[in-house]
Amino acid sequence: DIQMTQSPSSVSASVGDRVTITCRASQGISSWLAWYQQKPGKAPKLLIFAASNLKSGVPSRFSGSGSETDFTLTISSLQPEDFATYYCQQANNFPWTFGQGTKVEVK
Amino acid sequence: QLQLQESGSGLVKPSQTLSLTCAVSGGSISSRGYSWSWIRQPPGKGLEWIGYIFHSGSTYYNPSLKSRVTISVDRSKNQFSLKLSSVTAADTAVYYCASSIYSYYGMDVWGQGTTVTVSS
Repeated sequence: DIQMTQSPSSVSASVGDRVTITCRASQGISSWLAWYQQKPGKAPKLLIFAASNLKSGVPSRFSGSGSETDFTLTISSLQPEDFATYYCQQANNFPWTFGQGTKVEVK
Repeated sequence: QLQLQESGSGLVKPSQTLSLTCAVSGGSISSRGYSWSWIRQPPGKGLEWIGYIFHSGSTYYNPSLKSRVTISVDRSKNQFSLKLSSVTAADTAVYYCASSIYSYYGMDVWGQGTTVTVSS
């Protein structure tokens, strides 16, 4: 299985801050990486697919980059509704695997 | 737009079989290129992909669960199902169904999730 490692596990930030989350794959996955946002008690929501493509309707303050083993999710200016847990997921190899999650908390 | 809704037994006894269904609305489960997944999340933990069924009916299961998992589709009811046998307390989780318009793009539509507790 491909291991997905996110860092940090949690980050404390304020509204307006720039937040960067990284995701590392244990082997190359081309650009087949997705990012999700999950709020407590809710299903995950797809934000970015194929590493850098913003899903329709997702605010442009979210962006993704990277390829092969190293990927980044950036929130350019954190908004109150962005406090949540974020997961990366590789879709290059079966079984699909997720990172352990990064919790974005209020500073 | 596409919507998914899970249903099924919320309490299952150890060693029994967990059965869940995901009803698809706003689209056809036979739509070309689509895949239909099950994912679970134990309390306070991360996400685990269980497996999927492709629009053609082919399946792929997570090897960690493969011996216990069956995913099937009922085209007449526009729904797909999960069966997980020989459950233990470790199978207690929120179970989600989700769809992918193109497998490499991740899962773009999710159900709201259903909680399954394994307990005697």
